[in-house]
Amino acid sequence: ILNVEQSPQSLHVQEGDSTNFTCSFPSSNFYALHWYRWETAKSPEALFVMTLNGDEKKKGQISATLNTKEGYSYLYIKGSQPEDSATYLCAFRGINAGGTSYGKLTFGQGTILTVHP
Amino acid sequence: DAGVIQSPRHEVTEMGQEVTLRCKPISGHNSLFWYRQTMMRGLELLIYFNNNVPIDDSGMPEDRFSAKMPNASFSTLKIQPSEPRDSAVYFCASSLGLSLYGYTFGSGTRLTVV
Repeated sequence: ILNVEQSPQSLHVQEGDSTNFTCSFPSSNFYALHWYRWETAKSPEALFVMTLNGDEKKKGQISATLNTKEGYSYLYIKGSQPEDSATYLCAFRGINAGGTSYGKLTFGQGTILTVHP
Repeated sequence: DAGVIQSPRHEVTEMGQEVTLRCKPISGHNSLFWYRQTMMRGLELLIYFNNNVPIDDSGMPEDRFSAKMPNASFSTLKIQPSEPRDSAVYFCASSLGLSLYGYTFGSGTRLTVV
């Protein structure tokens, strides 16, 4: 059973604060790490896909880093806005014995971010 | 592109009834995934297909659940008979290939079994 864990479970910040959360995943058989943003009553929306150790991705005020050797990724939000309120999910994709990727993503439980005006 | 289309959006049914959830993936995507979301367990993969062939159904909870993909543009998830513990939001997602691409999720079907 793959263990993908996210912390914290929930986070309340004030508008303008910067924040970050963590995703930890198995460091063996790594293929890719995905981040999704999930707003209430909508479906998850892809933010980033990262594959290489040391990868950094950025989209607006949101960025993510990846450490595959120790099995963690950080998601950062600089200057949070109320519209950033959502659940942020990470998902692990592994590699099989044949050297190709398993199709499935194993999701963490998510970090629920609430940004107060 | 209309995205991944799921129907119905909401379904309320009585225990013991058969329920069929439907999904139309994005045209050209050749992988399709069914997930279930609950408060307790988060997003759980039930089954996925590649080129219409089921690849991994180890997440299907029990024999009451079945899924089919008769062609590249349609999939169903059936629960027969349904039970109250099946109440959840069921998401369908599609992607291009089994490698690097992320998923595009549908809007989900909220199932309530009373």
